[in-house]
Amino acid sequence: AQSVTQLGSHVSVSEGALVLLRCNYSSSVPPYLFWYVQYPNQGLQLLLKYTSAATLVKGINGFEAEFKKSETSFHLTKPSAHMSDAAEYFCAVSYYSGGYQKVTFGTGTKLQVIP
Amino acid sequence: SQTIHQWPATLVQPVGSPLSLECTVEGTSNPNLYWYRQAAGRGLQLLFYSVGIGQISSEVPQNLSASRPQDRQFILSSKKLLLSDSGFYLCAWSPNRDSNQPQHFGDGTRLSIL
Repeated sequence: AQSVTQLGSHVSVSEGALVLLRCNYSSSVPPYLFWYVQYPNQGLQLLLKYTSAATLVKGINGFEAEFKKSETSFHLTKPSAHMSDAAEYFCAVSYYSGGYQKVTFGTGTKLQVIP
Repeated sequence: SQTIHQWPATLVQPVGSPLSLECTVEGTSNPNLYWYRQAAGRGLQLLFYSVGIGQISSEVPQNLSASRPQDRQFILSSKKLLLSDSGFYLCAWSPNRDSNQPQHFGDGTRLSIL
């Protein structure tokens, strides 16, 4: 079965500091991986996706993630945090099984940005 | 472009009352459709998914049911709500038979049971 593990349910960074949110995956087949962001009382918005075309994936709002097969990781980074980045972030792995796309989400990491 | 709509945005219901949440998708055909629940402090729990009209699969046995009366309409229902049904309900869609594409989410419904 495919799964993802997000290390750290809460992360705090200072405004302007590097953002690093960790995600490790477990997959028996080449994975399709995604990062989503969720602001309070809103749905999940796609930040970026990895679909095997390139190991470094750039997303919206200045975020990027690097797929490292040897480490089974797909960590999300942003060089300089903004106050508007405060939200909850979910890593997810997608695969096709039994006639439909199944997505397994991590438990989420809440990012706090300190002014 | 594709859009997904959920309503209502918020709902307060007494225990034992019925429920109907609706989700519609525009700009695509034959999508996979999903209902998730997000409880406070917990991740996303897949409740139901559908690959076509009238085709519903349940991931978790519970007090809820789902229906897909039209290609791009997905409804979440309950005959009698329980306190444990409180939560944030999210509808999502993805292209059929294409697992390298992400799911796209609606804005959610905040359901509070009194």
